Amino acid sequence: AQSVTQLGSHVSVSEGALVLLRCNYSSSVPPYLFWYVQYPNQGLQLLLKYTTGATLVKGINGFEAEFKKSETSFHLTKPSAHMSDAAEYFCAVSDQNTLNTGGFKTIFGAGTRPFVKA
Amino acid sequence: KAGVTQTPRYLIKTRGQQVTLSCSPISGHRSVSWYQQTPGQGLQFLFEYFSETQRNKGNFPGRFSGRQFSNSRSEMNVSTLELGDSALYLCASSWVNAPTYEQYFGPGTRLTVT
Repeated sequence: AQSVTQLGSHVSVSEGALVLLRCNYSSSVPPYLFWYVQYPNQGLQLLLKYTTGATLVKGINGFEAEFKKSETSFHLTKPSAHMSDAAEYFCAVSDQNTLNTGGFKTIFGAGTRPFVKA
Repeated sequence: KAGVTQTPRYLIKTRGQQVTLSCSPISGHRSVSWYQQTPGQGLQFLFEYFSETQRNKGNFPGRFSGRQFSNSRSEMNVSTLELGDSALYLCASSWVNAPTYEQYFGPGTRLTVT
């Protein structure tokens, strides 16, 4: 069964410092991995995704993530934190429905919220 | 292009009542998924619809149901509401029902059960 673990529900980072949000996944098949961001009172917005190909994926707002199969990880980074990065970030894994009904299922991690200090 | 819209945005219901939430996907999107978000359980998958058929279902009791119409709009229904059903219900649409495609989320419906 699929699962997603995000280490740390809150992380503290200084403005201008590296942002690192950790994500480890468990999947019995090649995973399709996503990072979404949720701002207060809003739905989720896609930051980036990995399906196949290059393992270093660049997304919006300066974020990037690297798929490491050997470590079953998909950590999210941003070189320089900004106050506007304060939001909740969700790692997710999607998989085809095993019931052969043509659907899919997305499992989300618990979320990580960076606290950006001035 | 308009985003995913959900109505109503806020709802207060009493235990035992039933509720219907509505979701209009982005034009051209045919897959709609529903999620429940709570502080304790996080984001949990409810079900996914494509071409008016439920293709996948999460681990929720039968009180939670949904449907999709021919124009891809979707509704979810919760019967016999319980206090624990208080949550933000998010709808997401996707062009096709494949795991490689990103989902576009609506702002959610905040349901409070008293």
